[in-house]
Amino acid sequence: KNEVEQSPQNLTAQEGEFITINCSYSVGISALHWLQQHPGGGIVSLFMLSSGKKKHGRLIATINIQEKHSSLHITASHPRDSAVYICAAATGNQFYFGTGTSLTVIP
Amino acid sequence: DAGVTQSPTHLIKTRGQQVTLRCSPKSGHDTVSWYQQALGQGPQFIFQYYEEEERQRGNFPDRFSGHQFPNYSSELNVNALLLGDSALYLCASSLGPQALSFFGQGTRLTVV
Repeated sequence: KNEVEQSPQNLTAQEGEFITINCSYSVGISALHWLQQHPGGGIVSLFMLSSGKKKHGRLIATINIQEKHSSLHITASHPRDSAVYICAAATGNQFYFGTGTSLTVIP
Repeated sequence: DAGVTQSPTHLIKTRGQQVTLRCSPKSGHDTVSWYQQALGQGPQFIFQYYEEEERQRGNFPDRFSGHQFPNYSSELNVNALLLGDSALYLCASSLGPQALSFFGQGTRLTVV
């Protein structure tokens, strides 16, 4: 069993839809990261969370430490949001990564 | 301020050869971590360098080795390349081993 599980694996949405990606983890964490990976490989760090909720533009990330669960929400989705979104649990000196959620937003 | 830079961006090697990948951390960062990402998979942790020493290592064979230089840049070396080593190799830097990491664009290695 992976230390970090994401769902769904693939997601297709119409432009403007509200999107939720879920992440569950089984390890003790110092922080939970949400990453965005575009075709070609470049990874951008979106959020680092240790509690509560963070918002950046149309992106919102929440974490429930007791339930070991985090969600990434995208409001008013746009085709440029199409990417792979990866959840990563930071514990000690390393990260455990989910396999990612491939999001396609259709105009 | 340049972010994390990796070189080369693409590389093709023959099975059995050796390869060296390079990473320059974001300005001010002192910790470099390396990851291997196979197609369709999440990144897998290889090792982390801090203060020029390997601090932690993932489940990778000794064919994978690294180095960190006094300017905090780092190299990843892979010996006796196998076809299965074909992957995207990502470098991430941070200020300290447990801080938020910034990722480079990756080096795509193809072993033929």
